[in-house]
Amino acid sequence: GNSVTQMEGPVTLSEEAFLTINCTYTATGYPSLFWYVQYPGEGLQLLLKATKADDKGSNKGFEATYRKETTSFHLEKGSVQVSDSAVYFCARMNSGGYQKVTFGTGTKLQVIP
Amino acid sequence: DAGVTQSPTHLIKTRGQHVTLRCSPISGHKSVSWYQQVLGQGPQFIFQYYEKEERGRGNFPDRFSARQFPNYSSELNVNALLLGDSALYLCASSWSTGGDDGNTIYFGEGSWLTVV
Repeated sequence: GNSVTQMEGPVTLSEEAFLTINCTYTATGYPSLFWYVQYPGEGLQLLLKATKADDKGSNKGFEATYRKETTSFHLEKGSVQVSDSAVYFCARMNSGGYQKVTFGTGTKLQVIP
Repeated sequence: DAGVTQSPTHLIKTRGQHVTLRCSPISGHKSVSWYQQVLGQGPQFIFQYYEKEERGRGNFPDRFSARQFPNYSSELNVNALLLGDSALYLCASSWSTGGDDGNTIYFGEGSWLTVV
């Protein structure tokens, strides 16, 4: 079945450090890929998305590139801030059929001053 | 514009009771989906409704049911609550039904259900 695997956390970084959160997905069909962010006690916010191979999603300094050859969608940010502390979820959704988003288990990021 | 709105935001129920959670989609969105997020895990798909019809169902028991109204709002009902039903229930909306390119799904803040 469809699945998403992301690196386990927590990830602790100092402010202004470089961030990478790895994510791989099963290659069934032609999925759209997403990163969602969840701040403590809140719902999910869409961070960025990519709908086809080689697309790059970007938002608020975060980037991720849809890599079909490696079935990956790694999240990166060049310089993290304390306000980026949250849980990040990688997700996929198949094209066609009904909507079902399959999420990874989430990676908690803590940025310390 | 208002986002996806859910109510109630928090509630506590006793085992065996019934609960109804409500969701209003973003204006213009006709698809509503429900997800369950247990603490420390990613959300799990429960249902998708589009134009008042169930379009997809996840691996949840029949105690879970939902419906969508003519104004596209939706209710999630859970009967015979178990302790394991304690979770954040998220509603999501989008403008169409499929996983088409560019069809983004937007989530609400969720309803926190605690079963004691």
